[in-house]
Amino acid sequence: DTGVSQDPRHKITKRGQNVTFRCDPISEHNRLYWYRQTLGQGPEFLTYFQNEAQLEKSRLLSDRFSAERPKGSFSTLEIQRTEQGDSAMYLCASRQDPSGGYTFGSGTRLTVV
Amino acid sequence: AQKITQTQPGMFVQEKEAVTLDCTYDTSDQSYGLFWYKQPSSGEMIFLIYQGSYDEQNATEGRYSLNFQKARKSANLVISASQLGDSAMYFCAMREGWGGKLIFGQGTELSVKP
Repeated sequence: DTGVSQDPRHKITKRGQNVTFRCDPISEHNRLYWYRQTLGQGPEFLTYFQNEAQLEKSRLLSDRFSAERPKGSFSTLEIQRTEQGDSAMYLCASRQDPSGGYTFGSGTRLTVV
Repeated sequence: AQKITQTQPGMFVQEKEAVTLDCTYDTSDQSYGLFWYKQPSSGEMIFLIYQGSYDEQNATEGRYSLNFQKARKSANLVISASQLGDSAMYFCAMREGWGGKLIFGQGTELSVKP
């Protein structure tokens, strides 16, 4: 297993466009987390899945954001009608409940122009 | 609400010297976990060290040790014998609740001088 993979690494989009990011967790990990990190700040929690169930969403996750994890494997995070304030690094992490450590991907850096 | 505070936006240390990065936390939970991560300019979050709230001894991992003072709610990271490759952002984080999401501090940027 090569760890947590995120695709793409970088995305530049025009304001108002939709974007989708993908995260492939470590295969045996049942929990998957999405975080957003703006420049100079710590990562902020967005949402998490246990298997295919989305169990918690942050207030940061406006109705323009949606996340899925079909079949409990990879996950996608979609942002509709992007705004300049969405520019950030989007990090994915996975772990095996209950006591596994967290493994982070390298992130997707989004720039909205 | 749970909170992590890192009060040092930036730190400098001379190569081969030790450095302490501060972290305080606030929680009403009895069971929690504290983590330190390193984030180089490439963006990946690299796990360094973990301390459970019930662990009686301070955690150590190679050159990293965690100075855990439960009564003061502090979990400072000590890096011994600093290396140039240690230059990066360092984040303290706490695991929250059953869901296990991590709450991060604002980070400390460490610069190691030759």
